[in-house]
Amino acid sequence: DTGVSQDPRHKITKRGQNVTFRCDPISEHNRLYWYRQTLGQGPEFLTYFQNEAQLEKSRLLSDRFSAERPKGSFSTLEIQRTEQGDSAMYLCASSLAAGPNSGNTIYFGEGSWLTVV
Amino acid sequence: AQTVTQSQPEMSVQEAETVTLSCTYDTSESDYYLFWYKQPPSRQMILVIRQEAYKQQNATENRFSVNFQKAAKSFSLKISDSQLGDAAMYFCAYYDKVIFGPGTSLSVIP
Repeated sequence: DTGVSQDPRHKITKRGQNVTFRCDPISEHNRLYWYRQTLGQGPEFLTYFQNEAQLEKSRLLSDRFSAERPKGSFSTLEIQRTEQGDSAMYLCASSLAAGPNSGNTIYFGEGSWLTVV
Repeated sequence: AQTVTQSQPEMSVQEAETVTLSCTYDTSESDYYLFWYKQPPSRQMILVIRQEAYKQQNATENRFSVNFQKAAKSFSLKISDSQLGDAAMYFCAYYDKVIFGPGTSLSVIP
């Protein structure tokens, strides 16, 4: 297994443009998470899925952000009308969770760096 | 809502010495998991150690061990025989959707 993969690894975009990031989790993992991380800070939770269901979405996530996991496998995170404050690393992670408190190890991708100019 | 606090933004340790990183959390749940993750500069986040709240025994992984105090909601990480490769940001995290603390930057002095 190749682990969690994210694409693109780096994206530079102009303010106001839309961007989309893709995450491919470890194949048998049913949970998928998205986080945002800025330099020197811990990852901030954005949203997570169990299979194709989006179970929770952070209040940090404005209406410009949307995430999908249509077939319970890969996921996309789209940011519309990007702002300079969106510049950050967007981390994806996955786990195999049998239930709400199964607590299996979460594996992270290498992240997608976004720079909004 | 669950929260995770790390009160030490930066720590340093001499090579081969022992260092302890602190973490406190807040939750109303009785059954949960706690993790320590390591993130080297510009590198991927990797799991260091995990602890199930229902287990009283503290988790240990080679040179890494935890001191889990459930009543105090404290979860500290002890690194023994520190090595240069241990230099990184360390994040304490609470499961269910994985809430991270702000991190502790650990420097290892040769």
